[in-house]
Amino acid sequence: DQQVKQNSPSLSVQEGRISILNCDYTNSMFDYFLWYKKYPAEGPTFLISISSIKDKNEDGRFTVFLNKSAKHLSLHIVPSQPGDSAVYFCAANGKTGANNLFFGTGTRLTVIP
Amino acid sequence: SQTIHQWPATLVQPVGSPLSLECTVEGTSNPNLYWYRQAAGRGLQLLFYSVGIGQISSEVPQNLSASRPQDRQFILSSKKLLLSDSGFYLCAWRGGFGNTEAFFGQGTRLTVV
Repeated sequence: DQQVKQNSPSLSVQEGRISILNCDYTNSMFDYFLWYKKYPAEGPTFLISISSIKDKNEDGRFTVFLNKSAKHLSLHIVPSQPGDSAVYFCAANGKTGANNLFFGTGTRLTVIP
Repeated sequence: SQTIHQWPATLVQPVGSPLSLECTVEGTSNPNLYWYRQAAGRGLQLLFYSVGIGQISSEVPQNLSASRPQDRQFILSSKKLLLSDSGFYLCAWRGGFGNTEAFFGQGTRLTVV
């Protein structure tokens, strides 16, 4: 049962434009959400996070928005750069087991120069 | 600062052979440790987690096992590999409490032939 879903497996964006990656979750008990970036043959690296008490968190070119009522979060990258091309995973804090994170299936972002 | 080491980076093993992947963490004590597998269409699947020495929990039934012989060492094993065990395996650590990010190793690409 996939509790965190990324319904778009891929996204292509022109350099300089905005990239919007979406993520939906089903468990209303999730209280902390993260975005990771992953290059091929490497481990994921942490990008940005947001607590459920907020609806927006910004860090440079990256902004995460959380809509709790819709159980939806999104990552905005603006302006997009070719180096942003990677697979992006969203994750949610499960508060079960050992502080486990539940990951989505990933979205492959390609930024076209 | 904390670092996580995972090895080997790549591994080609015949069907029926044993497996041992090792992960060590430096710069922190009593971390929560995790083994994930990245599979196509399923994102990052949590395989095992550990909250302390000798404490292992399994998230999915499978041909693999995990052990934590020391506080900062986590080992993924198999007695007899199957073709379906091929994949990209990731070790991660996270603080035991609160909302923090997880840190990943570089991953091991396992190919069972």
